[in-house]
Amino acid sequence: DADVTQTPRNRITKTGKRIMLECSQTKGHDRMYWYRQDPGLGLRLIYYSFDVKDINKGEISDGYSVSRQAQAKFSLSLESAIPNQTALYFCATSDYGTGGADTQYFGPGTRLTVL
Amino acid sequence: DAKTTQPNSMESNEEEPVHLPCNHSTISGTDYIHWYRQLPSQGPEYVIHGLTSNVNNRMASLAIAEDRKSSTLILHRATLRDAAVYYCILIAGGTSYGKLTFGQGTILTVHP
Repeated sequence: DADVTQTPRNRITKTGKRIMLECSQTKGHDRMYWYRQDPGLGLRLIYYSFDVKDINKGEISDGYSVSRQAQAKFSLSLESAIPNQTALYFCATSDYGTGGADTQYFGPGTRLTVL
Repeated sequence: DAKTTQPNSMESNEEEPVHLPCNHSTISGTDYIHWYRQLPSQGPEYVIHGLTSNVNNRMASLAIAEDRKSSTLILHRATLRDAAVYYCILIAGGTSYGKLTFGQGTILTVHP
């Protein structure tokens, strides 16, 4: 079984709809992250969480919100989806380590299309 | 964050070594050098990281210049499965989180 899973894997929705993407991990890591990837570009950080009580904005958090329901679960919500949020979304986890040496483990991604 | 510069693309033949360069001339003394790769239709995958000394693991080797302004990821014998986008990323040491800032990376094509 995969260590980091994402659901759904693919989603097509309409402008204005609320969407939730879910991420679960069995690695026992405290840290979790949400990234988005646009065609031909690298990944950009949306939100990250160090533990259940810690939530932090990344570089592109506008239009998104997150919920850390448990150590193993981190959800990303689009409150009112818009077409430019069409992208590939990745969840990642990492364990606490020496600052700068964390290794991140990524899920398989969710392909979201907003019409 | 210090920036990295990588070639847009490189090509190799199967079973030959591949040297993927990365320039990071503004690297600070506590920045770690990380490499990730992203295979088609998959999430990024950790490859290797280092601080000052060269590093080896089962996937690759990392050669770091003495002045740390550049580094090279070495795949000793490329296979078709190594075709991917390779990202060189700097992470500031001492920060409280391992934020990854991805650039555009190098697209590696491996020919049979």
